[in-house]
Amino acid sequence: QKEVEQDPGPLSVPEGAIVSLNCTYSNSAFQYFMWYRQYSRKGPELLMYTYSSGNKEDGRFTAQVDKSSKYISLFIRDSQPSDSATYLCAMREQGAQKLVFGQGTRLTINP
Amino acid sequence: GAVVSQHPSRVICKSGTSVKIECRSLDFQATTMFWYRQFPKQSLMLMATSNEGSKATYEQGVEKDKFLINHASLTLSTLTVTSAHPEDSSFYICSARVPGSSYEQYFGPGTRLTVT
Repeated sequence: QKEVEQDPGPLSVPEGAIVSLNCTYSNSAFQYFMWYRQYSRKGPELLMYTYSSGNKEDGRFTAQVDKSSKYISLFIRDSQPSDSATYLCAMREQGAQKLVFGQGTRLTINP
Repeated sequence: GAVVSQHPSRVICKSGTSVKIECRSLDFQATTMFWYRQFPKQSLMLMATSNEGSKATYEQGVEKDKFLINHASLTLSTLTVTSAHPEDSSFYICSARVPGSSYEQYFGPGTRLTVT
């Protein structure tokens, strides 16, 4: 079993829809949770960063962490074609440098 | 802020030759940089952690003698793929930590290596 599980998709939704992306993990020591967006043939871009449990909102993006369920989510409201990319969840333990990544979900927003 | 660059963006080399990839932090000093490898439609695989002024720490299964990492300054780390083979063809991405802030990693744009 992988430490971090993420459905690779692909996920295709119409423009304006609410998108929900998720990851589950098995290591209860993970404390820091991130979402990265990666466009084709580009490096990942940090989107959201959350420490421990709770919600964090930034514009159209909301990140949720449920440590009791070992489950994290990224919601995208009013999705745009420019949101089409691969979304990677990542997490790490307190004091650790190493990030553990999910496989990434390929998302396409159709105009 | 927190911009990381990589050079070159694409490189094609012949089998048996060596290729050097540079990773630079442009607007901050990075004591720690990371090198990843990514195959098509797959996630990032950490190859090694590079600390300025010391030897890199390689992940299990990564050949130290094949993937030489040097972190000679606080803004530059290099990855040299020695005696490259076609199976080394991949997308190589570096990242750097911003010390004293969020401690999270900012990634470079990646280098596409093709070995013929």
